[in-house]
Amino acid sequence: EDQVTQSPEALRLQEGESSSLNCSYTVSGLRGLFWYRQDPGKGPEFLFTLYSAGEEKEKERLKATLTKKESFLHITAPKPEDSATYLCAGVSQGGSEKLVFGKGTKLTVNP
Amino acid sequence: ETGVTQSPTHLIKTRGQQVTLRCSSQSGHNTVSWYQQALGQGPQFIFQYYREEENGRGNFPPRFSGLQFPNYSSELNVNALELDDSALYLCASSETGGDEKLFFGSGTQLSVL
Repeated sequence: EDQVTQSPEALRLQEGESSSLNCSYTVSGLRGLFWYRQDPGKGPEFLFTLYSAGEEKEKERLKATLTKKESFLHITAPKPEDSATYLCAGVSQGGSEKLVFGKGTKLTVNP
Repeated sequence: ETGVTQSPTHLIKTRGQQVTLRCSSQSGHNTVSWYQQALGQGPQFIFQYYREEENGRGNFPPRFSGLQFPNYSSELNVNALELDDSALYLCASSETGGDEKLFFGSGTQLSVL
């Protein structure tokens, strides 16, 4: 069964304190690995898609990387507005575009 | 470009009742997916519709059903509501044949008492 596990469950950082979130996956024939940001009471907002090991993508203070077993979301010099829950999801080969999500990492950045 | 819109935003029902949730997909998107997100959990796939046909289903019982209309909008119907059905229900649209990027609505918060 396809599974995505995220760690840590929650992370508190001081403004400017860089860190990384982890997403490990067991998705048969991974077709893509997605990162989303979710604010309280809102739907997930798309951040990145990674398709192959070694791929990296960046957006402002965020950088996502992918290996054959896990993905990392690196946050450089975070600001309070980066506080949110970050969700990782995988989609497998064939069939519908069903995303398998992890439980997310709740990030809090204190000023 | 209009985004994904869902209605209603909040809903309170009692056990055993039936509910219909609605979703308008993003302009140009022909695929709609529904997800259930319980408190503190990641979204779980319910089903997907493409060109008015169900195109994949997750581990949800038959009392969860859906429709997609010619304009690509969609409905999620849940019969015989149970307490465990209390959750945020998310609709997402995408363009099949694209990069599987889903655009989510803000969801419908369903409370079953």
